[in-house]
Formats: sequence, structure tokens, C-alpha cells
Amino acid sequence: QQPVQSPQAVILREGEDAVINCSSSKALYSVHWYRQKHGEAPVFLMILLKGGEQKGHEKISASFNEKKQQSSLYLTASQLSYSGTYFCGTESAKTSYDKVIFGPGTSLSVIP
Amino acid sequence: GAGVSQSPRYKVAKRGQDVALRCDPISGHVSLFWYQQALGQGPEFLTYFQNEAQLDKSGLPSDRFFAERPEGSVSTLKIQRTQQEDSAVYLCASSLRAAYSSTDTQYFGPGTRLTVL
Repeated sequence: QQPVQSPQAVILREGEDAVINCSSSKALYSVHWYRQKHGEAPVFLMILLKGGEQKGHEKISASFNEKKQQSSLYLTASQLSYSGTYFCGTESAKTSYDKVIFGPGTSLSVIP
Repeated sequence: GAGVSQSPRYKVAKRGQDVALRCDPISGHVSLFWYQQALGQGPEFLTYFQNEAQLDKSGLPSDRFFAERPEGSVSTLKIQRTQQEDSAVYLCASSLRAAYSSTDTQYFGPGTRLTVL
């Protein structure tokens, strides 16, 4: 089942902060975050694993609340280069194979 | 090459034509995924390969869609008798290890934009 992302779109001025949320109706093993600019490939930002391990980007942080089946991506002191569409992908089981299901995306625009 | 490459980048087909889309994953990557991305939407899973074995094809929308990875490296997604609803960006991604046993970063290619007239 596809995760839900909020907000759908956000506009920021340079230097402002933003939070993007991702929630699932299923118990989660991992959450993956990607950013995609128009006409380009999605670029990896971060993976959060059940149990608290994080792997990812230096300037972007995220949280993973396993009990609430939610993850949040925190973008601080935004730069023009942060503009793009942010996707979360969720993976449920790790006792066996489960594919990553991506959300519909959050469009973020940073303006001068 | 350093990343995942896909060809062609753009493909225009007349309804009813067959198309073949190619993906070159990162060398040595065990897992390969195909996704379909409609305008303004997230990538939607189509199929998964572990080396040459197609272990999950649950996302293929119809029997007109066929994928292969015969030698465990390059993969081809073939769409037969294309329809207008097949118009989308087709993304390929690869990751280092088998998806059954690990959670790895998926590295995406730039995609092939298919337009069916």
C-alpha cells in the first residue's frame, strides 16, 4: 500500500526550514528518501532502518517513528538547490523480500 | 560507467508498435528494478531481478509488458502493442546486494520517456 506524504507542495524562501512527512498503514522495516529534479533521476538522500540506524546525507536529517509508522525529513537553512520533488519509499518486512513502495511526492520550491 | 544508464532517453511510438527499453546497471550490482513513473507521481514498481532471475513481476500491468536480464547485467523492458496509457517515464534502478537479504540504496537511471501517439 502506497505511503502518504504531506504536504503535497511547499514554497520556501532561502534559509527557511521545512519538514516533509511520510506515513504508512503497515508496519515498516525501512524508509527511503529521494529527491528528484525535473527530467532527472531520483537521487538518494537517506535510508532509515528499524532499530534506529540511519544512512545518508550530511546536511539533511530525518526521523523514523516505528510505532507510528511515520518518518519525517528535515531540511534546514534551505538552499536553492533543495528545490525538487521529494519521495519517500517504504519497505515492510525484512524476514523475507518486500519491495520498496514510493509515495506520491512532495514538491518543494525554494525561492530567493 | 559510474552510474545507471538507460537508452533511449526519449521514445515516441505509434499505438500498436512494440518498444524495447534498455538499462545498464552499475557493474556488479545484484539487484535491478524497473519502475513506471506517470507525470506528477512517484515511481511505481514493475519488476525485480536478482542477477538473471526475475523474482517479482507483480507490478507489470499486463501481459504486454515483458522484462529480461539474461546475463545478470543489462536488462531490457519490452512493451508489445503499445497503448496511450503506457505513456510514462520508465526508470531503472540497481542496488548492490539481493533485496531478499538487505536494504540497500537504489541508484536510479535517468529514465526513458515513452510517448505513445
